[in-house]
Amino acid sequence: DIQMTQTPSSMPASLGERVTISCRASQGISNYLNWYQQKPDGTIKPLIYYTSNLQSGVPSRFSGSGSGTDYSLTISSLEPEDFAMYYCQQYDSSPWTFGGGTKLELK
Amino acid sequence: EVKLLESGGGLVQPGGSLRLSCAASGFTFADFYMSWIRQSPGKAPEWLSFIRNKANSYTTEYNPSVKGRFTISRDDTQNVLYLQMNTLRAEDTAIYYCAKHDYYYDGTYYYDYFDYWGQGVMVTVSS
Repeated sequence: DIQMTQTPSSMPASLGERVTISCRASQGISNYLNWYQQKPDGTIKPLIYYTSNLQSGVPSRFSGSGSGTDYSLTISSLEPEDFAMYYCQQYDSSPWTFGGGTKLELK
Repeated sequence: EVKLLESGGGLVQPGGSLRLSCAASGFTFADFYMSWIRQSPGKAPEWLSFIRNKANSYTTEYNPSVKGRFTISRDDTQNVLYLQMNTLRAEDTAIYYCAKHDYYYDGTYYYDYFDYWGQGVMVTVSS
């Protein structure tokens, strides 16, 4: 299985701050990488697909980049609704696997 | 509006069975791949299985962690996705989500991600 390692596991941040979450795959995944947000009530929604494509309806402050084994999600200016859990997920090979998650917390 | 509503969860003893259902609405269910994903308390999601559409012969894929114990199926006439879970273990305790795929492949460009998730249903395996 491809292991996905997210860093950091938690991140205190302030409103308006720019933050970047990293995701490293245990082998190259050819940009087959998605990002999801999970709210405290358990609701999960996609943010970014295929490394850098913004899901419809997601604010443009979210962006994704990367290649090979290293990928990142950037939020350019944090809004109150962005404090949540974030997960990366690879679909290069089965079984599809998720990163361990990053909890974005209000500083 | 796309809606996915899971049901069938609950408390089951180790070794027991349970069948989860996911009622879909707001889209042409028969056209899309569907998956089951679970999340144990405080853990990351774990993809379990997906089923393709009729055009792709309803073929299935499983995570080795559940292969042989879990079976995914679908009823396109009722717009329902199922997960039959047998020989349940304590480590199967989790919230189970169904998810719709958004999939595209043109020979060079390929994406596949879960564009809609249900609210989840709790499964507890305990004596």
